[in-house]
Amino acid sequence: DAKTTQPPSMDCAEGRAANLPCNHSTISGNEYVYWYRQIHSQGPQYIIHGLKNNETNEMASLIITEDRKSSTLILPHATLRDTAVYYCIVRVDAGGTSYGKLTFGQGTILTVHP
Amino acid sequence: AAGVIQSPRHLIKEKRETATLKCYPIPRHDTVYWYQQGPGQDPQFLISFYEKMQSDKGSIPDRFSAQQFSDYHSELNMSSLELGDSALYFCASSLGFGSSGGAQYFGPGTRLTVL
Repeated sequence: DAKTTQPPSMDCAEGRAANLPCNHSTISGNEYVYWYRQIHSQGPQYIIHGLKNNETNEMASLIITEDRKSSTLILPHATLRDTAVYYCIVRVDAGGTSYGKLTFGQGTILTVHP
Repeated sequence: AAGVIQSPRHLIKEKRETATLKCYPIPRHDTVYWYQQGPGQDPQFLISFYEKMQSDKGSIPDRFSAQQFSDYHSELNMSSLELGDSALYFCASSLGFGSSGGAQYFGPGTRLTVL
């Protein structure tokens, strides 16, 4: 799986949008971009994933550049409960199967402050 | 919605003892993954099962074994425990085939402490 690069930490004011960047310059055509977050010692929580189109769900939006070498996770209205480590992970989903492991990298510690 | 269930949530063992961790996937999920997270570290993949067959293997010690049963629940067996095995152990499940994509959903974890 392609490697990802994320800033080690970011701050965000409560109520503002949090934009978390991720570089994955060696991504292959069949690799998806996944975002997870982990709030202290809890199980990682799935946020969103995408292949090449922008995606949105009730939690966040995922913007993937046209060349797919980078992406941005957007939390539109950050709250204190969004303080967590955010992981950007690139993974192959081969032919509809999804048994591929997740390789967690360094992640970004997002701190939302009042 | 039903989530992944792990038991026990906390476990304390002595060195050289054995431990068994259990994972109950989300209903209809056919794939189970095990991850280990040491103190201050990121989760590391151990092993996975799809339709009761081992599908992938990571840096799992030979002292550890796992299996997936006919009802899709999985157990991680750990023998000759060492101090370094103290960690959070997460189980995740996913649907191998289907329109929901490849998202893995994690359980709350089992905190293993080896004394």
